[in-house]
Amino acid sequence: QVQLQASGPGLVKPSETLSLTCTVSGYSISSGYYWDWIRQPPGKGLEWIGTIQSSGHTYSNPSLKSRVTISVDTSKNQFSLRLNSVTAADTAVYYCARGPSSDYWGQGTLVIVSS
Amino acid sequence: DVVMTQSPLSLPVTLGQSASISCRSSQGLVHSDGNIYLSWFQQRPGQSPRRLIYQVSNRDSGVPDRFSGSGSGTDFTLKITRVEAEDVGVYYCMQGSHWPRTFGQGTKVEIK
Repeated sequence: QVQLQASGPGLVKPSETLSLTCTVSGYSISSGYYWDWIRQPPGKGLEWIGTIQSSGHTYSNPSLKSRVTISVDTSKNQFSLRLNSVTAADTAVYYCARGPSSDYWGQGTLVIVSS
Repeated sequence: DVVMTQSPLSLPVTLGQSASISCRSSQGLVHSDGNIYLSWFQQRPGQSPRRLIYQVSNRDSGVPDRFSGSGSGTDFTLKITRVEAEDVGVYYCMQGSHWPRTFGQGTKVEIK
């Protein structure tokens, strides 16, 4: 069974960089599919952040594009998100999921941006 | 971006009755490969979203047949028949046919 688990610091200071890693088990990232990051501010809806393929090709939401970097490490079966210059508006639960239709989701990790 | 508009945003339902959620896209969702990547998700309180329906009408494994998806063009519907207490939560549609992927605002289903 495919499982995803996001991990990373739960607190990030304003203007710094948020870094998260998603570890995939039960499926090899290099075998295909897209690997997505999605976030949900407290009490709000879902926002798609971006995706990466095993080839390394990425696509990010234009609303965040200049601040987002998504990378993949197929040797570790992981993919990662970096979001720079964070503000309080970036406080959210961050999910990783398998695309293109998000059939598997991780449990989500809350990241709070605060000094 | 493709805007996904759900209605209603709040849906009180009586146990055992049916519920329908509408999702309208701002443009057609036919992908260049001919498929329509329209999915529905259920998010129970405190949980990650769970996919229920993919490509408009295909139910995921383990999803009760009380859930069904339909639609074409720019109008799509999720129907829940015989609503049960476990169906309480927020339901989202999402399109994956065009970049960036976009979600509807969510519809909160609650029991009357």
